Amino acid sequence: EAGVVQSPRYKIIEKKQPVAFWCNPISGHNTLYWYRQNLGQGPELLIRYENEEAVDDSQLPKDRFSAERLKGVDSTLKIQPAELGDSAVYLCASSFDRFTEAFFGQGTRLTVV
Amino acid sequence: DQQVKQNSPSLSVQEGRISILNCDYTNSMFDYFLWYKKYPAEGPTFLISISSIKDKNEDGRFTVFLNKSAKHLSLHIVPSQPGDSAVYFCAASERGSGNTGKLIFGQGTTLQVKP
Repeated sequence: EAGVVQSPRYKIIEKKQPVAFWCNPISGHNTLYWYRQNLGQGPELLIRYENEEAVDDSQLPKDRFSAERLKGVDSTLKIQPAELGDSAVYLCASSFDRFTEAFFGQGTRLTVV
Repeated sequence: DQQVKQNSPSLSVQEGRISILNCDYTNSMFDYFLWYKKYPAEGPTFLISISSIKDKNEDGRFTVFLNKSAKHLSLHIVPSQPGDSAVYFCAASERGSGNTGKLIFGQGTTLQVKP
């Protein structure tokens, strides 16, 4: 069974440029999460989807970040414009439902210069 | 405010010995706890979990202990193997509330198992 797939693996952009990350969750998983992990820290939740509905986006900086999960499967996370402080690893995870363990993708390492 | 804390940034043990990783939490509403393992350039991998109705859960070489009164949990790895060298994250969630599914992670502990 394929795991959570994320792309790209690495991205280097100049500040003020836009960037997008893509996530394909494990088939059949209804819950999808986007986390951000800063260097030396644990992952922090940005947004959680139940199917196509965002049920927890309280930590998402809505002035520059947006996310969507069309048809309740794949998801994209966008930053526009990017700032130097956005440099981090962005992790996507999925779970069968909100009560079960989340499985993580390999992450996208974003560097803003 | 860090709700989940792993106060030891790193731990080094000899192969074959026991590794004990510790985690403290402050939110008494947390009722489900997990440990994830992370290798470099990979995403975290689920290792083991425990519900607050239990005080111990075992899976092969891995055992998690929960002390609710102390708001403390620990992961024991016996015997430790070089392949266990990784960053270990403790995570907690409130399964009995609307925040179900939101994991709060600790900062991680880097375990090195020496051959």
